[in-house]
Amino acid sequence: DGGITQSPKYLFRKEGQNVTLSCEQNLNHDAMYWYRQDPGQGLRLIYYSQIVNDFQKGDIAEGYSVSREKKESFPLTVTSAQKNPTAFYLCASSTQGAQPQHFGDGTRLSIL
Amino acid sequence: DQQVKQNSPSLSVQEGRISILNCDYTNSMFDYFLWYKKYPAEGPTFLISISSIKDKNEDGRFTVFLNKSAKHLSLHIVPSQPGDSAVYFCAASEGSDLTFGTGTRLQVTL
Repeated sequence: DGGITQSPKYLFRKEGQNVTLSCEQNLNHDAMYWYRQDPGQGLRLIYYSQIVNDFQKGDIAEGYSVSREKKESFPLTVTSAQKNPTAFYLCASSTQGAQPQHFGDGTRLSIL
Repeated sequence: DQQVKQNSPSLSVQEGRISILNCDYTNSMFDYFLWYKKYPAEGPTFLISISSIKDKNEDGRFTVFLNKSAKHLSLHIVPSQPGDSAVYFCAASEGSDLTFGTGTRLQVTL
């Protein structure tokens, strides 16, 4: 079955550590996205990529980094510069320039 | 500035009745609107959408209405079922960008 796989489902980070969240899709989508969800808020866009080797900052990119070396993969690194990293992170993909976006099941990141 | 607003954080409806979820937007450049359904600890699932050139789109028990002059859209679920209990997000698109509302938690009671 085609879909988006995010791993791990739960992740714990110590203060000052960088952590990387994985997102893989086999939908043959060109575009991929990372969102952050906080309690009582909508999804906010962190980074997006329309094609391989290209990505753009979203609304809340500070403290995060991404790479897009393969079409299927769009990992997100939460760096130590992100002061409030505890959140639910969602990866999505879509046909380039089109809707809807399809989502993975998310990774919940917590600080130890 | 919240461009997509869902002013009701929660809604409780009896099984078999109609659920109406509302969404308002401020950006007149939005040209496509979507509703997503989300269960706890899962990603949002696409439910139904509507283009700005239409005012209604229906898919089974789900109907989305768009009032462009009022910058308002709504999702109707008829009849509501217990499995519909979830958080519903309204989203608006301008090209490939997608802006989400804060969600409405729907509880369908027996």
